[in-house]
Amino acid sequence: EAGVTQFPSHSVIEKGQTVTLRCDPISGHDNLYWYRRVMGKEIKFLLHFVKESKQDESGMPNNRFLAERTGGTYSTLKVQPAELEDSGVYFCASSLRDYQTRSTDTQYFGPGTRLTVL
Amino acid sequence: SQQGEEDPQALSIQEGENATMNCSYKTSINNLQWYRQNSGRGLVHLILIRSNEREKHSGRLRVTLDTSKKSSSLLITASRAADTASYFCATIYNQGGKLIFGQGTELSVKP
Repeated sequence: EAGVTQFPSHSVIEKGQTVTLRCDPISGHDNLYWYRRVMGKEIKFLLHFVKESKQDESGMPNNRFLAERTGGTYSTLKVQPAELEDSGVYFCASSLRDYQTRSTDTQYFGPGTRLTVL
Repeated sequence: SQQGEEDPQALSIQEGENATMNCSYKTSINNLQWYRQNSGRGLVHLILIRSNEREKHSGRLRVTLDTSKKSSSLLITASRAADTASYFCATIYNQGGKLIFGQGTELSVKP
């Protein structure tokens, strides 16, 4: 079974440009999460989809970030316009939805996209 | 920090030695998880311990949980150079919700 995949693995852009990151979760996983690790600091939550709906977007830093999950499969995270402080590694994770306990427990992470804004 | 503290922030040991990393958290939890990140790679789930468990083993990994102190420890026995990585503890904010990560411990195992 394929794991969570992310594209691209690296992206180098200039300040003010736009970048779109893509995440393909494990097939059948309803939950999809985006996280970010900036400058070797802690990993911080950005947002959570359940199927195509945004369950929690409390971690999105500002309106320059837009996440979508059309059709409830893959997700994109667009940064427009990018700023220097957006540099970091963006992780995507997915997990099953346990309908009995509503506990999704283990989240499986992708390899991340390393974004560098110059 | 959203989560709390992890210590040490960095740990350097020789191959074959044991490595112990600690994590504290702030809120009540259902479970606590440990992840590893190798340089340039994604996060790998290592082990999950539930709030009603005090100790759990998986291969060379041993995790303890003390809910009264809101702390957990990860012990890696007989370390190998391949164990060199960043290690993070994480709790789920609510069921099905976001993971709250600690700041991580950078482990370096020298051959």
